Amino acid sequence: DGGITQSPKYLFRKEGQNVTLSCEQNLNHDAMYWYRQDPGQGLRLIYYSQIVNDFQKGDIAEGYSVSREKKESFPLTVTSAQKNPTAFYLCASTLRGAEAFFGQGTRLTVV
Amino acid sequence: EDQVTQSPEALRLQEGESSSLNCSYTVSGLRGLFWYRQDPGKGPEFLFTLYSAGEEKEKERLKATLTKKESFLHITAPKPEDSATYLCAVQVNTDKLIFGTGTRLQVFP
Repeated sequence: DGGITQSPKYLFRKEGQNVTLSCEQNLNHDAMYWYRQDPGQGLRLIYYSQIVNDFQKGDIAEGYSVSREKKESFPLTVTSAQKNPTAFYLCASTLRGAEAFFGQGTRLTVV
Repeated sequence: EDQVTQSPEALRLQEGESSSLNCSYTVSGLRGLFWYRQDPGKGPEFLFTLYSAGEEKEKERLKATLTKKESFLHITAPKPEDSATYLCAVQVNTDKLIFGTGTRLQVFP
């Protein structure tokens, strides 16, 4: 079955630690996205990528980094520079002009 | 700056009480407008795509409409299972996909 897989579902980060969230899709979509969602809030765009080896900053890119070495994969690293990383992270992919498909999310907590 | 605004932030309805959710947008180069439903702790679930002013889409108790500046999601005779957060998103010509802050809908029996 085609879809988007995010892992892990839950992730705990210690202060000063970098962590990487995985996002893989087998839908052959060109564009991929990372969003952050805080409790009771909408989705805020962190980074997006239209093609392999290229990506663009969203509205809240500070403290995050991404790579797009393969069409299927778009990992997100939450660096120690992100001072308030506790949130629900969602990955999505889309064909141009069509609806986005979402993963089930990763809940990141700072301990 | 591209912007998407949803209202109201929260809406409480009695079962059977119809209402509408609003999504207004200011973007340069609209490629498509999307409505999603999101349940707590889950990823958004796709509902509708609208591409041009005047377009309408329907699914069960939901109907989405689009003008040049806004979209409405009309809910007719809602049921408690319609309770969720409804998200509006706009894709612009650069492939950027921008979401509004959502409307939290609660339907009481």
